[in-house]
Amino acid sequence: DTEVTQTPKHLVMGMTNKKSLKCEQHMGHRAMYWYKQKAKKPPELMFVYSYEKLSINESVPSRFSPECPNSSLLNLHLHALQPEDSALYLCASSPPWGTLETQYFGPGTRLLVL
Amino acid sequence: GENVGLHLPTLSVQEGDNSIINCAYSNSASDYFIWYKQESGKGPQFIIDIRSNMDKRQGQRVTVLLNKTVKHLSLQIAATQPGDSAVYFCAENYGGATNKLIFGTGTLLAVQP
Repeated sequence: DTEVTQTPKHLVMGMTNKKSLKCEQHMGHRAMYWYKQKAKKPPELMFVYSYEKLSINESVPSRFSPECPNSSLLNLHLHALQPEDSALYLCASSPPWGTLETQYFGPGTRLLVL
Repeated sequence: GENVGLHLPTLSVQEGDNSIINCAYSNSASDYFIWYKQESGKGPQFIIDIRSNMDKRQGQRVTVLLNKTVKHLSLQIAATQPGDSAVYFCAENYGGATNKLIFGTGTLLAVQP
């Protein structure tokens, strides 16, 4: 099973709202990722967690706050977003970091910021 | 703001024909490459991968070719079907201490019935 699940599928929020995106995998992967994808563009890496610790932050604004409560779950907390943050947010996971392994993606959360 | 009017490179093929999607990668030190398929409204789906010590790898109806001399990757799809219509991304992995993927710009494959 190579399934990564994400909730919600769609999210509409105002610029003053606080919301969270959730991601889950049960493949025993120990690396998890958040990507942002704008229309007709490739995914862009935001954060990487390895063994539940934040390993890479690609200079993402602080209004995006990642959290990895355990090895199966990854959250992205959103606060005071801007309309330009509207995008598809993708979660991915892969076997332990340091090996050249495939990243498996979830279906994404389509976010609209009004 | 948004780059309004940005168009993905598009490959239009007839159903049953073979498709070849090309990708130029950037880092000669990259040692792992992946092709993903992304259908409208979905996340990228793994198709096939290849490591830098190989120049060809075959899957079911798909073949990936790697030319390290010119930093070129291609995906060949045999007997293309309407269900193959999607955006295809290549991704390169720089390796080393990270598993960071860098994606290409993507190619839209449109299969005409």
